[in-house]
Amino acid sequence: RKEVEQDPGPFNVPEGATVAFNCTYSNSASQSFFWYRQDCRKEPKLLMSVYSSGNEDGRFTAQLNRASQYISLLIRDSKLSDSATYLCVVNRMDSSYKLIFGSGTRLLVRP
Amino acid sequence: GAVVSQHPSRVICKSGTSVKIECRSLDFQATTMFWYRQFPKKSLMLMATSNEGSKATYEQGVEKDKFLINHASLTLSTLTVTSAHPEDSSFYICSAEVAGPSTDTQYFGPGTRLTVL
Repeated sequence: RKEVEQDPGPFNVPEGATVAFNCTYSNSASQSFFWYRQDCRKEPKLLMSVYSSGNEDGRFTAQLNRASQYISLLIRDSKLSDSATYLCVVNRMDSSYKLIFGSGTRLLVRP
Repeated sequence: GAVVSQHPSRVICKSGTSVKIECRSLDFQATTMFWYRQFPKKSLMLMATSNEGSKATYEQGVEKDKFLINHASLTLSTLTVTSAHPEDSSFYICSAEVAGPSTDTQYFGPGTRLTVL
């Protein structure tokens, strides 16, 4: 079983739609959670951290359910520029701080 | 956010040659940098953790003699792919860790696309 699992998609939605991505992680000791965005052939860029109480940044809302080991990202009013791959990322605390990446969920926003 | 650069952005080499990739933190000092590899349509896989002034820590299955890492200063880590073969062709990305008030954040370099012929 992968440490971080995501639906690969693609999610194909019209502009203005609301879309939600889910992610599950297997290590219950994980402490930090993030959503990164990766455009084609580019490096990942931090979209937002995910806090236990849930957090919002403009059109983006992230939530964490520690009991279910589940993370979500909601995008409202999708823009064409939101088309990208969204990576769910979890830290792994062993001897040092390490990030474990999901394989990503691809989003395509059409006009 | 913090800026991390990588050089070169793209390299094509013949099988058997060695390739050095540089990762620099431009506006901050990074005691810890990370090297990842990403194959097409796959997730980033951590190869090793690079610590300034000490030996790198390699992930299971990554050959330390093939992927040489040097972190000689607080702003520079290098990855050398020795005796590269076509199966080493991949997107190599480094990141640098920045300590935050509640959690550390990794900022990524733009990546190096390696093609071994």
